Amino acid sequence: AQSVTQPDARVTVSEGASLQLRCKYSSSVTPYLFWYVQYPRQGLQLLLKYYSGDPVVQGVNGFEAEFSKSNSSFHLRKASVHWSDSAVYFCAVSMDSNYQLIWGSGTKLIIKP
Amino acid sequence: NAGVIQTPRHKVTGKGQEATLWCEPISGHSAVFWYRQTIVQGLEFLTYFRNQAPIDDSGMPKERFSAQMPNQSHSTLKIQSTQPQDSAVYLCASSSTGGGTEVFFGKGTRLTVV
Repeated sequence: AQSVTQPDARVTVSEGASLQLRCKYSSSVTPYLFWYVQYPRQGLQLLLKYYSGDPVVQGVNGFEAEFSKSNSSFHLRKASVHWSDSAVYFCAVSMDSNYQLIWGSGTKLIIKP
Repeated sequence: NAGVIQTPRHKVTGKGQEATLWCEPISGHSAVFWYRQTIVQGLEFLTYFRNQAPIDDSGMPKERFSAQMPNQSHSTLKIQSTQPQDSAVYLCASSSTGGGTEVFFGKGTRLTVV
């Protein structure tokens, strides 16, 4: 069975600093991999996704993620965070995007001024 | 494109009452999902329709929860005899066919059972 682990429930970063949010998955085959963001009182929005090809994928608002098959990881990065990046970030996997997504527990990102 | 529309945004029900939540997926999307989100449990899959047919309801509490998709333009989630533990944000999402496509979420319905 697939599973997703986001080991950090909360991450605090100073504005302008770099960011990495960790995600590890368990699956017998490489799944579709997603990062979603949830702003307060909003639904989830897709940041980026990966299935194959270049292991570094670019997303919206300067976010990127790197897939590592050897580490079963899909970490999210941003070079310089802005206060507006404060949100909860979810990593998810799916064997088929028309089927259910398996979600991590989410990481709340707090930006210090 | 108005996105996935969920109504109402907030609903307060008394314990034992029925609650019906509505979802209008994005036009042309063939897959509709329902999730429940709480602080304690996080995001939980409830059920999934493809082309209006129920595909997987493995996440649905069997006794009081039901979901329907009578036409391609809306889906409903009904909770009978609501209990305080049903309090949560219920999220509806839709996607088009094809591998790797994005799942679009509504803003959710916050259900509070008092």
